[in-house]
Amino acid sequence: AQKVTQAQTEISVVEKEDVTLDCVYETRDTTYYLFWYKQPPSGELVFLIRRNSFDEQNEISGRYSWNFQKSTSSFNFTITASQVVDSAVYFCALSDTGNQFYFGTGTSLTVIP
Amino acid sequence: DAEITQSPRHKITETGRQVTLACHQTWNHNNMFWYRQDLGHGLRLIHYSYGVQDTNKGEVSDGYSVSRSNTEDLPLTLESAASSQTSVYFCASSGEREFSTDTQYFGPGTRLTVL
Repeated sequence: AQKVTQAQTEISVVEKEDVTLDCVYETRDTTYYLFWYKQPPSGELVFLIRRNSFDEQNEISGRYSWNFQKSTSSFNFTITASQVVDSAVYFCALSDTGNQFYFGTGTSLTVIP
Repeated sequence: DAEITQSPRHKITETGRQVTLACHQTWNHNNMFWYRQDLGHGLRLIHYSYGVQDTNKGEVSDGYSVSRSNTEDLPLTLESAASSQTSVYFCASSGEREFSTDTQYFGPGTRLTVL
């Protein structure tokens, strides 16, 4: 069965610190996609990144980076030099060949000024 | 610009009433989804559609129904609202191709309270 686990329920960091949000997934499919979404206090869900299972290359976008490791079934998200605007709930999600999304329960990040 | 909208944004209703939440997208996406978000559960899939006249049950479909009569809209109906259906509801859409695993883009959400 497909499952996404975000073991960190809440994280607090001081501004400018780096922080890593963990995501571990389970699937029997060899073709699948992984996603991260951000939900700021305003409530909308903002798409951050999509990776397919055949591309393990790490991705960097500004202060954001993602580390995909199939060997450990993990797709971790790192924010470098965190800012107050990064405070949000972050969701990891898995989409397999069944075309449905499976979301983790989210990690609430608070960046303290 | 293409977008996905939900209405109403906030709704208070009473137990037993029928409620319909609207979702409209202008992405020309074939696939549309309804989720509910509850503390400790993340987002859970209620119903989804891969095209006009196609609807499917998700993980938590009991007490909900959808119909898809055109590409743009997927209304969610609570047949007889229950307090357990108090939640935030999100609509999403993806892909111009059927059955795609394209990125899902979400509407702003509807906060429903059932008293």
